[in-house]
Amino acid sequence: GAGVSQSPSNKVTEKGKDVELRCDPISGHTALYWYRQSLGQGLEFLIYFQGNSAPDKSGLPSDRFSAERTGGSVSTLTIQRTQQEDSAVYLCASSPGPWNEQFFGPGTRLTVL
Amino acid sequence: GQQLNQSPQSMFIQEGEDVSMNCTSSSIFNTWLWYKQDPGEGPVLLIALYKAGELTSNGRLTAQFGITRKDSFLNISASIPSDVGIYFCAGPNSGGSNYKLTFGKGTLLTVNP
Repeated sequence: GAGVSQSPSNKVTEKGKDVELRCDPISGHTALYWYRQSLGQGLEFLIYFQGNSAPDKSGLPSDRFSAERTGGSVSTLTIQRTQQEDSAVYLCASSPGPWNEQFFGPGTRLTVL
Repeated sequence: GQQLNQSPQSMFIQEGEDVSMNCTSSSIFNTWLWYKQDPGEGPVLLIALYKAGELTSNGRLTAQFGITRKDSFLNISASIPSDVGIYFCAGPNSGGSNYKLTFGKGTLLTVNP
């Protein structure tokens, strides 16, 4: 079946602009995660959604970052007033439940000029 | 927070050679995960370890959960060109936020044919 999909695959933007990154999880997966991967680094947890529960936003690096998950499916990560240090690959993952194997999407490579 | 120290940072080997990489932590992990990330893709789970001392194999891959619960290693035997990629160790946070994964910074493996 279809895996986790993310769009766009690449995004180049100018400093100060807002960007929206989209994640389509595997159908039926109740848990959805966003991670950030900077060059040469491991993955950094950003935010977690589980069903209708309040999301865990503890990993968001600043208030310029926000995320939504509509209808328990698609999620959008928004970065406002982008900065050069926001340049990274943003990975989305989903899992059947809170502690199951996480399946990752291919990521969105964000470049802020 | 919890941190995972992964070594070596990179490896260059000849096809057919065996490879060993490890991961250590100053704090205890109750689960160890090993992921592989191909270029332009998200990480894929290779092996999951749930019990101290556990030794698990998946084809040419073997991983062990250290008895102190503070380390794990991954071995790849008879390497082939498609083993190229970044290998990450990861583990869930302790307590109620065990859905959050902490990742090492990865080992970049290059296999020369």
